[in-house]
Amino acid sequence: SAVISQKPSRDICQRGTSLTIQCQVDSQVTMMFWYRQQPGQSLTLIATANQGSEATYESGFVIDKFPISRPNLTFSTLTVSNMSPEDSSIYLCSVGARTDTQYFGPGTRLTVL
Amino acid sequence: QKEVEQDPGPLSVPEGAIVSLNCTYSNSAFQYFMWYRQYSRKGPELLMYTYSSGNKEDGRFTAQVDKSSKYISLFIRDSQPSDSATYLCAMSAYSGNTGKLIFGQGTTLQVKP
Repeated sequence: SAVISQKPSRDICQRGTSLTIQCQVDSQVTMMFWYRQQPGQSLTLIATANQGSEATYESGFVIDKFPISRPNLTFSTLTVSNMSPEDSSIYLCSVGARTDTQYFGPGTRLTVL
Repeated sequence: QKEVEQDPGPLSVPEGAIVSLNCTYSNSAFQYFMWYRQYSRKGPELLMYTYSSGNKEDGRFTAQVDKSSKYISLFIRDSQPSDSATYLCAMSAYSGNTGKLIFGQGTTLQVKP
């Protein structure tokens, strides 16, 4: 399985600011995904990030709020912009595996005050 | 109605018990079924993957899929305190490594020594 790291592991931010979360994989992967896990709720897909193309966003998520970069096959960033307390969540990146599944990173725990 | 329903628990069992975790779903197009284990403050870890209907066994873990009933199960035999975690079911209509995964809410399991 791929080894996935995320930075930062956690952060506490003020409302109105932005935070960029990094996701690094130890091997080249085609598909990378960003999910949100709100307290007590299931994981929800924010967007799919393919290298060399614009990210594809799910209903309810927009590029202005969650801009994503995918500069190469091992790295992606998710920015949470103009944050409010409702953005307090765990943000997870995942990668598509050869076995029709996805592997997840450790997550970034975000608290917005 | 949520696409995937999972009893959030918590479920508490004595060490050595057989644990049954279940999810129901409404979308008959789902073909790829996964179980993830998530320890506190960690990312989801893939436990089992099943394509279409049938059973799959891996050590103490058995996954079952009944597409006619839209019902999937994970059985844990000889449960150990180290199995204490949140268990998430996930499924996809398309290949699990290229498409969106739909998650259940997660069941919190505690195995008492």
